[in-house]
Amino acid sequence: ETGVTQSPTHLIKTRGQQVTLRCSSQSGHNTVSWYQQALGQGPQFIFQYYREEENGRGNFPPRFSGLQFPNYSSELNVNALELDDSALYLCASNPGRGGEETQYFGPGTRLLVL
Amino acid sequence: EDQVTQSPEALRLQEGESSSLNCSYTVSGLRGLFWYRQDPGKGPEFLFTLYSAGEEKEKERLKATLTKKESFLHITAPKPEDSATYLCAVRIPSGSRLTFGEGTQLTVNP
Repeated sequence: ETGVTQSPTHLIKTRGQQVTLRCSSQSGHNTVSWYQQALGQGPQFIFQYYREEENGRGNFPPRFSGLQFPNYSSELNVNALELDDSALYLCASNPGRGGEETQYFGPGTRLLVL
Repeated sequence: EDQVTQSPEALRLQEGESSSLNCSYTVSGLRGLFWYRQDPGKGPEFLFTLYSAGEEKEKERLKATLTKKESFLHITAPKPEDSATYLCAVRIPSGSRLTFGEGTQLTVNP
């Protein structure tokens, strides 16, 4: 067990809707990263937060946004959902900021957009 | 552009048949190469971190090695419970994001 939890486990939305996915990091982990994993592919980096500030972003449009809260929880928000947004969304946490630390992943949220 | 390539895409082994998975990378200033195991529908589970060429790490039937251009995950006498997708990822100096390969889907038949 990594101590990283995500909710919900599964979600079905329709195109154009908005969705919020939640992650609870391990206590003491100040960095949270979000990844999108399409079926049969490796995870793709969406963005990262350190102490509630964005600390890097991948090649994802602005309709993907995030928040991190002081209690080690975080959110991934996706607006105007598209069919291609269907994927497993993973969050990962580590204690510090960057460095050579290992990122520990949660179980993921499976999003299906119809 | 930083790239991570894993091979083969899929591998079928008989129980007890040892083999190796490959992860080749082209990055500037590697700051860690990571191996994860992922079961279907679940999040990646951390296995190893390697930082410098020549480094090796072992855990049960798994052994990871690193050179300047690639890493190998050696599986000795695998069991059916080793069946999973094995992901390789690298971290570069410009941030702590991980860049993943596409994974190798390993199936071990009894």
